[in-house]
Amino acid sequence: AQSVAQPEDQVNVAEGNPLTVKCTYSVSGNPYLFWYVQYPNRGLQFLLKYITGDNLVKGSYGFEAEFNKSQTSFHLKKPSALVSDSALYFCAVRDQNRGSTLGRLYFGRGTQLTVWP
Amino acid sequence: KAGVTQTPRYLIKTRGQQVTLSCSPISGHRSVSWYQQTPGQGLQFLFEYFSETQRNKGNFPGRFSGRQFSNSRSEMNVSTLELGDSALYLCASSSSGQETQYFGPGTRLLVL
Repeated sequence: AQSVAQPEDQVNVAEGNPLTVKCTYSVSGNPYLFWYVQYPNRGLQFLLKYITGDNLVKGSYGFEAEFNKSQTSFHLKKPSALVSDSALYFCAVRDQNRGSTLGRLYFGRGTQLTVWP
Repeated sequence: KAGVTQTPRYLIKTRGQQVTLSCSPISGHRSVSWYQQTPGQGLQFLFEYFSETQRNKGNFPGRFSGRQFSNSRSEMNVSTLELGDSALYLCASSSSGQETQYFGPGTRLLVL
């Protein structure tokens, strides 16, 4: 079965400090991994993805994520947090090898990131 | 390119009624997926359409249905609404389902 875990419901960091939002996944085959961000009363906004290749993926707004196959993790990071980064972050996975689940993403429960000034 | 658009943005219905939500994908995208977002259950997959065919379906009752038109626009319908159907309904489009899914702003449904 495919699943995603975001172990922290909430992450609080000071502006200017580095931030990490954790994600672990489970798939039977090779994963496609995604991070999305959601601001209040808005849809999900794509940040970055891992398909194959370099384990460090760079995305929008200075975010990056590191794919670790042995730990089945895909943690989201940013070297210096901004107050405007405060939002709800979702990790999602899809199994590359399961054609039957094309177009279906499995999401984690989300992590509320708060960056205080 | 214009993004994914969803109409209406807000809806208030009463129990027992039915509702139809609409989604227009990004131009050229042929796959449309629907998700339900609630505080208790998080983001749950409803179904995916590709080239007017339902390709994938989540674990929702038959009251939830959808369709896709030849221009890739999609609609989802919920019949006999229940209080628990109150949620944010999100539509996402991608070229073929394998690539990145881009989400619309959602339709917030409140069932009274």
